[in-house]
Amino acid sequence: AQSVAQPEDQVNVAEGNPLTVKCTYSVSGNPYLFWYVQYPNRGLQFLLKYITGDNLVKGSYGFEAEFNKSQTSFHLKKPSALVSDSALYFCAVRDIGGANNLFFGTGTRLTVIP
Amino acid sequence: DSGVTQTPKHLITATGQRVTLRCSPRSGDLSVYWYQQSLDQGLQFLIQYYNGEERAKGNILERFSAQQFPDLHSELNLSSLELGDSALYFCASSSTDSLTTEAFFGQGTRLTVV
Repeated sequence: AQSVAQPEDQVNVAEGNPLTVKCTYSVSGNPYLFWYVQYPNRGLQFLLKYITGDNLVKGSYGFEAEFNKSQTSFHLKKPSALVSDSALYFCAVRDIGGANNLFFGTGTRLTVIP
Repeated sequence: DSGVTQTPKHLITATGQRVTLRCSPRSGDLSVYWYQQSLDQGLQFLIQYYNGEERAKGNILERFSAQQFPDLHSELNLSSLELGDSALYFCASSSTDSLTTEAFFGQGTRLTVV
């Protein structure tokens, strides 16, 4: 069975500071990992994904994520946070041995303080 | 704009009633997913269709059903509605059935059962 954990419900960071949103996963096979962002009253927007290859993945809006197989983690990062980054962030996984659907974490609310 | 269109945006109905939610995927996308987002359950996968055929089933109640039509649009039917069915229902689409392909989400239908 596949699962995703986002250990922090809420992350606060000052504008201009680096931000990290944490995600750990559990799968039976090789993971395919995704990050999505949800702004208020909007659908989820795709940010980036890890399939294979380089452990550092770059995505939209200056976000990047680092895949760490030994720690089964896929943390989302950005070097310098913007107030407009404030939103709900979801980590998701597909398991090569499991169903095709995206399995989502519970989400982390990021607040960037001006 | 993701290119995925969901109608209606908002729906208020009484317990015991039946509603139909509609989803038009991105042009050319063959795969459609339905998700339910509620405060206590997070994002729950309901069902997936690929090119008209049911491909995967998640935590979908027997009172709920879905289909994908030849023009690839999809409908989610919810019947005998209960207060607990109040949630945001998302449709997502992807171009293939591959595990590596990201899904694009619509803005959702907010269902309120009173």
